[in-house]
Amino acid sequence: AQSVTQPDIHITVSEGASLELRCNYSYGATPYLFWYVQSPGQGLQLLLKYFSGDTLVQGIKGFEAEFKRSQSSFNLRKPSVHWSDAAEYFCAVDTNTGNQFYFGTGTSLTVIP
Amino acid sequence: DTEVTQTPKHLVMGMTNKKSLKCEQHMGHRAMYWYKQKAKKPPELMFVYSYEKLSINESVPSRFSPECPNSSLLNLHLHALQPEDSALYLCASSQELRNEKLFFGSGTQLSVL
Repeated sequence: AQSVTQPDIHITVSEGASLELRCNYSYGATPYLFWYVQSPGQGLQLLLKYFSGDTLVQGIKGFEAEFKRSQSSFNLRKPSVHWSDAAEYFCAVDTNTGNQFYFGTGTSLTVIP
Repeated sequence: DTEVTQTPKHLVMGMTNKKSLKCEQHMGHRAMYWYKQKAKKPPELMFVYSYEKLSINESVPSRFSPECPNSSLLNLHLHALQPEDSALYLCASSQELRNEKLFFGSGTQLSVL
């Protein structure tokens, strides 16, 4: 069965430090891959997406993600975290068959001064 | 206009009440979605409309009744809900059914007493 795994339930980083959020997917072919961010009580905002081509994709708010086919991963990175980045982050997969769109369980990010 | 607008933002209802959640977008999107999200969990797909026709119903109980009166509006009618139905209800839209980019509303925080 297709699935999306975010191994880290909660991450705490210092402001200015680098960040990497992990995402692994289980699917036979290369799916469409997304990262969304959600602030408390808010809807989800798309940070970036990968469909094909360059495996390093740039997103909004200084985020980037790298697709690694050999590792079935799509990790999100940011070189220097700001306090406003504290939020819940969801990786998502569209398997490109029918309308199968799966969210990972989310990673909660805390930023400390 | 790149917004998905949901009303009300907060709703408290009793188990015998009938209420409706509303969602509106003016981006010309032809696919609209209802998601349910419990605290600290990823969104779960409930319904998908494509060109105003119900495309997907993810085995949602009949106490939730969706309606798509036109291409810009999506309603979710609620009747005889249970306390476990308390959650954040998110509406989303996309250009077509392929989920290339989902635009999410801010959600309606529903409490069932």
